[in-house]
Amino acid sequence: SQTIHQWPATLVQPVGSPLSLECTVEGTSNPNLYWYRQAAGRGLQLLFYSVGIGQISSEVPQNLSASRPQDRQFILSSKKLLLSDSGFYLCAWSFLTQETQYFGPGTRLLVL
Amino acid sequence: RKEVEQDPGPFNVPEGATVAFNCTYSNSASQSFFWYRQDCRKEPKLLMSVYSSGNEDGRFTAQLNRASQYISLLIRDSKLSDSATYLCVVNEGTGGFKTIFGAGTRLFVKA
Repeated sequence: SQTIHQWPATLVQPVGSPLSLECTVEGTSNPNLYWYRQAAGRGLQLLFYSVGIGQISSEVPQNLSASRPQDRQFILSSKKLLLSDSGFYLCAWSFLTQETQYFGPGTRLLVL
Repeated sequence: RKEVEQDPGPFNVPEGATVAFNCTYSNSASQSFFWYRQDCRKEPKLLMSVYSSGNEDGRFTAQLNRASQYISLLIRDSKLSDSATYLCVVNEGTGGFKTIFGAGTRLFVKA
């Protein structure tokens, strides 16, 4: 069976500091990978998706970036965090040709 | 108009009640539909896919009305453990890249 991991679970960072969130998937090969952000009381906003190693598509302009250095590893980064970057960050995966997405446990980020 | 719209609730119901949620979507070309459940401060989890003919999974029934562009979820015999936020999810194309999540409907089931 497949599992998805995210870390850290919670993070408190000062404005202007860098960010690195990691997501890994086990039990499948060549998954589609996604990064979402969920603000309080709002729907999930797709930030990035990837169909393969080194292939990243961005859905919204922001000061975040994503990378996929290995097939089952997806990283979300920022060089300088903003207050507005606070939120619940969720990584998800899906099979290559299917729409159903499975989410990791998420990282709750608070930028102060 | 929002792409996927849900009544945010909250719906407060007693145990054993039947409760129904509706969701409307704006893109008539949308291809696949889902309901997810999200517990407080947790990740969303797939509850069920929604098929054109309607489908049932235990106490849960999902229906799709393409003509009116809405999806419904019916929960019968509500349990305390059903308390959560229910997310309506619409996919506008093949693959997961055009997946739109509603903001969710909160349900509280009380003893």
